[in-house]
Amino acid sequence: EAGVVQSPRYKIIEKKQPVAFWCNPISGHNTLYWYRQNLGQGPELLIRYENEEAVDDSQLPKDRFSAERLKGVDSTLKIQPAELGDSAVYLCASSLVLAGSYTEQFFGPGTRLTVL
Amino acid sequence: AQSVSQHNHHVILSEAASLELGCNYSYGGTVNLFWYVQYPGQHLQLLLKYFSGDPLVKGIKGFEAEFIKSKFSFNLRKPSVQWSDTAEYFCAPPQFNKFYFGSGTKLNVKP
Repeated sequence: EAGVVQSPRYKIIEKKQPVAFWCNPISGHNTLYWYRQNLGQGPELLIRYENEEAVDDSQLPKDRFSAERLKGVDSTLKIQPAELGDSAVYLCASSLVLAGSYTEQFFGPGTRLTVL
Repeated sequence: AQSVSQHNHHVILSEAASLELGCNYSYGGTVNLFWYVQYPGQHLQLLLKYFSGDPLVKGIKGFEAEFIKSKFSFNLRKPSVQWSDTAEYFCAPPQFNKFYFGSGTKLNVKP
């Protein structure tokens, strides 16, 4: 079974440029998460989708970050314009959530973003 | 607000030493607890989880964790570590289906 796929794995851009990350979750998983992980810290949730609906985007900096999950499968996270402080690893995870139960999340390899 | 505290940021052990990593969370109520591990160059993956029942749970690779409700703790243990346990370990107690990850503990096992 294929795991969570993310691309690109690495991205280097100059500040003020736009950047987009793509995630393909595990087939059948209804819930998709985007996290940001800064060096030396644990992952921090940016947005969580249940199917197509963003059910928690309270931590997403909406002035420059946007996300979408068309058809409840793949998802894209965009930053426009990028700032130096956005340098981090962006992780995508998916899980199958049934009746509000907590379940294991499966993580992708992440995209390491460097903003110069 | 919910919070997670991992007390050890960097631990260095020799092979065969015993390991205990601390994790404390700040909220009560129904608790489901997870430990994740990230081996060098690999994805975050589940190490073990606690939902209910026996507070001592077993995970992969000989790891175990004990839920102590009165102390709001879910410490990770392994009686004898191996070089291959070198990794970063994250405690993640979720609430409302949002995972609050701790800052992580880097474990370095010397051969």
